[in-house]
Amino acid sequence: AQSVTQLGSHVSVSEGALVLLRCNYSSSVPPYLFWYVQYPNQGLQLLLKYTSAATLVKGINGFEAEFKKSETSFHLTKPSAHMSDAAEYFCAVSGARSSYKLIFGSGTRLLVRP
Amino acid sequence: DGGITQSPKYLFRKEGQNVTLSCEQNLNHDAMYWYRQDPGQGLRLIYYSQIVNDFQKGDIAEGYSVSREKKESFPLTVTSAQKNPTAFYLCASSIGGVNTEAFFGQGTRLTVV
Repeated sequence: AQSVTQLGSHVSVSEGALVLLRCNYSSSVPPYLFWYVQYPNQGLQLLLKYTSAATLVKGINGFEAEFKKSETSFHLTKPSAHMSDAAEYFCAVSGARSSYKLIFGSGTRLLVRP
Repeated sequence: DGGITQSPKYLFRKEGQNVTLSCEQNLNHDAMYWYRQDPGQGLRLIYYSQIVNDFQKGDIAEGYSVSREKKESFPLTVTSAQKNPTAFYLCASSIGGVNTEAFFGQGTRLTVV
C-alpha cells in the first residue's frame, strides 16, 4: 500500500530563513508525488509535482522539492521564508496501477516569525 | 472561470439528519473525489469516481453516500449513520490518470449539533 509520512506537524522559521518540510513515501511502484498548500478555511493548491522527468522539481512561490529514491524522500524547500508562506503543507502520492487515488500525509503547519 | 464549486461553505445540521454537500466542476474532468479533513489527520478519502455512473469507496466511506449521474456533479450525502460528521469536507477533480494533479474546491465546513 502507498503512504506518505510528514515529519513534524509544526515547523517554525524566521522570515528570511530556509524552509525545509519533510516528506517520506512508501510505494511499491514508481511514485508520483505532489506538494499542496492550504491557507485557512480554503481548499488545497498545487505547489509542485514529481513525475519522473527530473529529480529536482521547481514549483510556484519559490518552492522546490528533490526526489531521492534511495531515501524515499521528497522534501520541500524554499531558500528564504516570507510571512505569506505561513500555511499548512501536504505531501501526497499516487501511482497504484489503475487507481486515481491521491494519498495525503497528515500535513505540516508552517509558522513564519517576523 | 473554470473551477470547482462547493456549496454551501458552512452548514449546520441537527444530529440524526441526513445532509447533502454539493460539488460541481466545469473543468471537464473525468475523476472526482471527496475528502474529509480533521485537525492533525490530514485528508482522508471518502469516495472517488473515475467516470460517470461509477464510484468506489475510499478509506472512510461508512456513513456516507455519493452519486455520479453527470460528469460535472458529485454530491456527497452525510447520513445519520456517520458517527462523527462534524468536519471540513473537500471536493476535488482531476483529468484522470495516476500522474495528474487534483484541483480542489474551497470546502464545506459541516457542524452537527
